[in-house]
Amino acid sequence: DAKTTQPNSMESNEEEPVHLPCNHSTISGTDYIHWYRQLPSQGPEYVIHGLTSNVNNRMASLAIAEDRKSSTLILHRATLRDAAVYYCILPFSGGYNKLIFGAGTRLAVHP
Amino acid sequence: EAQVTQNPRYLITVTGKKLTVTCSQNMNHEYMSWYRQDPGLGLRQIYYSMNVEVTDKGDVPEGYKVSRKEKRNFPLILESPSPNQTSLYFCASSLSGRGRGQPQHFGDGTRLSIL
Repeated sequence: DAKTTQPNSMESNEEEPVHLPCNHSTISGTDYIHWYRQLPSQGPEYVIHGLTSNVNNRMASLAIAEDRKSSTLILHRATLRDAAVYYCILPFSGGYNKLIFGAGTRLAVHP
Repeated sequence: EAQVTQNPRYLITVTGKKLTVTCSQNMNHEYMSWYRQDPGLGLRQIYYSMNVEVTDKGDVPEGYKVSRKEKRNFPLILESPSPNQTSLYFCASSLSGRGRGQPQHFGDGTRLSIL
């Protein structure tokens, strides 16, 4: 299965944009790119996913490189509530919907 | 409100005393799964279910059982719990288990301590 690489931690100030990078150089043509986040003391929460085109929803935007070897999760205006661990995941290729979680990026948001 | 509900949220028990963690979803999802989360190891899948009466092992199934008699429920059973099963457990569901574009919904977790 294709692996992802993310920075261990990042920091941001409140109300500023945040760009969370993810490298997935061994991605296959049919791999979706998923992002989840986990707030303290909560279960993982789906944020966004995409295949080839950039995607937007109410939570975030996902920018996918043209060669699909990297992607960036964009939080347009960080709030204190966005402090969480963010996971970039390429779901398991074995034919069912298994998520393989890495260490993720711990995002700290400062007032 | 769409949700995945786990019970109990917290449980402290002793080695060998059978326990069940319940999971219920109200979204008519076909696919459900259980993960455990341990420091330094991340989340690992224990069991999954593609639909009613269809279950299979994930990456760390030893010591656990599951059943899927109804679409909405997917209980996790520890027949003889041991201290190495002390962990934070999450149940998740998605519309389908087929394909890799299906977002998953997670419960808030069950923290188990086995003494």
